[in-house]
Amino acid sequence: DVVMTQSPLSLPVTLGQPASISCRSSQSLVFSDGDTYLHWLQQRPGQSPRRLIYKVSKRDSGVPDRFSGSGSGTDFTLKISRVEAEDVGVYYCVQGTHGITFGQGTRLEIK
Amino acid sequence: QVQLVQSGTEVKKPGASVKVSCKASGYTFTGYYIHWIRQAPGQGLEWMGWVNPNNGGTNYAQKFHGWVTMTRDTSITTAYMDLSRLTSDDTAVYYCARVDSSTWSFDYWGQGTLVTVSS
Repeated sequence: DVVMTQSPLSLPVTLGQPASISCRSSQSLVFSDGDTYLHWLQQRPGQSPRRLIYKVSKRDSGVPDRFSGSGSGTDFTLKISRVEAEDVGVYYCVQGTHGITFGQGTRLEIK
Repeated sequence: QVQLVQSGTEVKKPGASVKVSCKASGYTFTGYYIHWIRQAPGQGLEWMGWVNPNNGGTNYAQKFHGWVTMTRDTSITTAYMDLSRLTSDDTAVYYCARVDSSTWSFDYWGQGTLVTVSS
């Protein structure tokens, strides 16, 4: 099974400051079709998860452009350019290239 | 608009079974796989498996082989997840989620169903 490792697991951030979350996979996430099925989810407190980014860097409709995804192969990053109060929650990376596997989650809180 | 509406909270005794439903609307039900994911209290997300509403085909995570069954009823655009031989470790919120086949990612989620297993 592919193991997804996120860091950090806890991320205290001052409002207006940037934040970055790393996600590493135990094997390459490039599929035979050339696409990379690495996605990012946000789970706000008490809510269902919501997709933010799909296929590494494509932002979902309605997701603020302060969120961006990047990376390739086995190393991926979610960045928030300026953290706002509504960004509090847990962020998960999830891969769909080799079955489905989630990262452990990164809890973002306001410092 | 796309909606996945799940059945309500369940309380079960150890050894019992639970069946959670996921009613889909706002799109062609047979065109998208439905996955089930669970989240134990204070924990992360755990993928359980999927059902293909088009033909009823299934694929379960190895951990759940033999004690989870995923089905669907196309006449009422509803998917089901049946978990048997419950233990306290199965206490969790169970989510259904639609997978967009072009991205193989979860684009819509249900609201979640809390299943509590307690004697």
